[in-house]
Amino acid sequence: DSGVTQTPKHLITATGQRVTLRCSPRSGDLSVYWYQQSLDQGLQFLIQYYNGEERAKGNILERFSAQQFPDLHSELNLSSLELGDSALYFCASSADPNTEAFFGQGTRLTVV
Amino acid sequence: GENVEQHPSTLSVQEGDSAVIKCTYSDSASNYFPWYKQELGKGPQLIIDIRSNVGEKKDQRIAVTLNKTAKHFSLHITETQPEDSAVYFCAASHNFNKFYFGSGTKLNVKP
Repeated sequence: DSGVTQTPKHLITATGQRVTLRCSPRSGDLSVYWYQQSLDQGLQFLIQYYNGEERAKGNILERFSAQQFPDLHSELNLSSLELGDSALYFCASSADPNTEAFFGQGTRLTVV
Repeated sequence: GENVEQHPSTLSVQEGDSAVIKCTYSDSASNYFPWYKQELGKGPQLIIDIRSNVGEKKDQRIAVTLNKTAKHFSLHITETQPEDSAVYFCAASHNFNKFYFGSGTKLNVKP
């Protein structure tokens, strides 16, 4: 167990809907990363937060947004969902932006 | 942006043999290279990493080598065991900002 907690584990929703994925980092970690893993795109970096501030942005669609709260948990919001958004979404955390990151177990999103 | 290529996509070895997975990267500014192991239904697990100021790092049966000039790095697993069977991902990052992952190698260790 990495200590990173993601909820929910599974999520099934319809196209056009909006969902929120939640991540609690390891105790003491200030940095949170979000990744999308799909069969055709592999692991794609979406966005990174450090102590509440956005630090780096990757291939995150405009329909997606994220934030890190004062208690350091993070949420990834996915809106106007499309079938192609079906994927595993991983959160990872690290103590600071210059140390190794540890992944959660992921949220499997299925858009029908 | 960075482009990380990983080979082979699948690798089958006999228990006890060695396994080598190779990655190349395109951005010479990348300076941190982690390797992750992902088992079915689980998140990627960091198994070893290397920074650009080091050429080789070893942790028991696992080693990673880095050639900055050629822009490639490799994962070496010796004395493979069935529990090493998983998908392995390499990644590259500049100062722990954006991480770029390889496409993964499915390792099968046959008992």
